[in-house]
Amino acid sequence: DAGVIQSPRHEVTEMGQEVTLRCKPISGHNSLFWYRQTMMRGLELLIYFNNNVPIDDSGMPEDRFSAKMPNASFSTLKIQPSEPRDSAVYFCASSFLAGGTDTQYFGPGTRLTVL
Amino acid sequence: QKEVEQNSGPLSVPEGAIASLNCTYSDRVSQSFFWYRQYSGKSPELIMSIYSNGDKEDGRFTAQLNKASQYVSLLIRDSQPSDSATYLCAVNFWGSQGNLIFGKGTKLSVKP
Repeated sequence: DAGVIQSPRHEVTEMGQEVTLRCKPISGHNSLFWYRQTMMRGLELLIYFNNNVPIDDSGMPEDRFSAKMPNASFSTLKIQPSEPRDSAVYFCASSFLAGGTDTQYFGPGTRLTVL
Repeated sequence: QKEVEQNSGPLSVPEGAIASLNCTYSDRVSQSFFWYRQYSGKSPELIMSIYSNGDKEDGRFTAQLNKASQYVSLLIRDSQPSDSATYLCAVNFWGSQGNLIFGKGTKLSVKP
């Protein structure tokens, strides 16, 4: 079975441009997580969905960030407008949550550079 | 504020030795604990999960959990250079619906 799929793997853009990151979770998983990782702050949860519904978006830095999950097999994280401080690796992870917690499986990540 | 703390390292051990990685967390009401390994430039991958007090062994890896002390550790026996990576501790706090809080990781270097 394919793992979590993310695209693009690398994105270089200029400040002010819109960036859209994409994620396809593992089939059958009902929870999806978006993380950002930097050297300074480590791995930070931005938002997570359960059964396509956003549960906690308190980690979203500001209104420039938005995330959607229109169906069980696709999610997007959008940054508009992008800023240099958004440069980081963005990971998507999925899990099957049933009555507690279960293992999160990470995608390969998208390395974002905002010039 | 729920927190997960790890020594950032680097922790350097010779090949064949036991590497001991430690993690503390801030909230007694925590239900599950995970160790992830992350190679440079790669995504985190799960090594171990542990849910109850005591030891859990899987090959060369042993996870140890002490909820009273709010402490979880990972032991790697017979360390190999291929174990050189950053090890992330993650905790699921009660009521968080699967949301994991990650520590910043400990960088392990195994010297041949």
